[in-house]
Amino acid sequence: AQTVTQSQPEMSVQEAETVTLSCTYDTSENNYYLFWYKQPPSRQMILVIRQEAYKQQNATENRFSVNFQKAAKSFSLKISDSQLGDTAMYFCAVGGATNKLIFGTGTLLAVQP
Amino acid sequence: DAMVIQNPRYQVTQFGKPVTLSCSQTLNHNVMYWYQQKSSQAPKLLFHYYDKDFNNEADTPDNFQSRRPNTSFCFLDIRSPGLGDAAMYLCATSLNRGGGRETQYFGPGTRLLVL
Repeated sequence: AQTVTQSQPEMSVQEAETVTLSCTYDTSENNYYLFWYKQPPSRQMILVIRQEAYKQQNATENRFSVNFQKAAKSFSLKISDSQLGDTAMYFCAVGGATNKLIFGTGTLLAVQP
Repeated sequence: DAMVIQNPRYQVTQFGKPVTLSCSQTLNHNVMYWYQQKSSQAPKLLFHYYDKDFNNEADTPDNFQSRRPNTSFCFLDIRSPGLGDAAMYLCATSLNRGGGRETQYFGPGTRLLVL
């Protein structure tokens, strides 16, 4: 079974600053994938960044990067130079051999002007 | 732009009255998913279609059914909605059934209210 835990229900950051969202997971699979999805208010969920577990190098996508600690089963998301448009619910998810994504309960991020 | 569309965005139904939620996609993806997302909870997969092959999650109640008449459309039918079925319903697609490595593309969701 796979589980995902996001221990920060809500976070706040000032515009232009950096924020890190935490995620821990558990899986018995050897080959799996980790995702961060963003769900802005009243808009659809979109993929922010993904990490393949067999790759040691942390994924980066513009202002978004991850800190993947495989042994600790930790997958945190760092947002640099936060922008007002980053305000959203952020979901961490893990996917394995099945077609199923297991999501965490989300972190609501508010970027303050 | 290629996208996943859900109609309606808000749906109000009465306790026990059947309701159908609609999803369409212009991405020409093979896989379509339905998730249920209750307030402050993680999205939970109900079932998915790989082409015409229906895959139900073991813990999805029988009250929930789905139809996929063609590649572009997928419907979620709730036969007898209860108060506990009030939630946001998310439709998603992926190109192939490649396990967890496939990126899923989500629609904006339909918020269902049961009176």
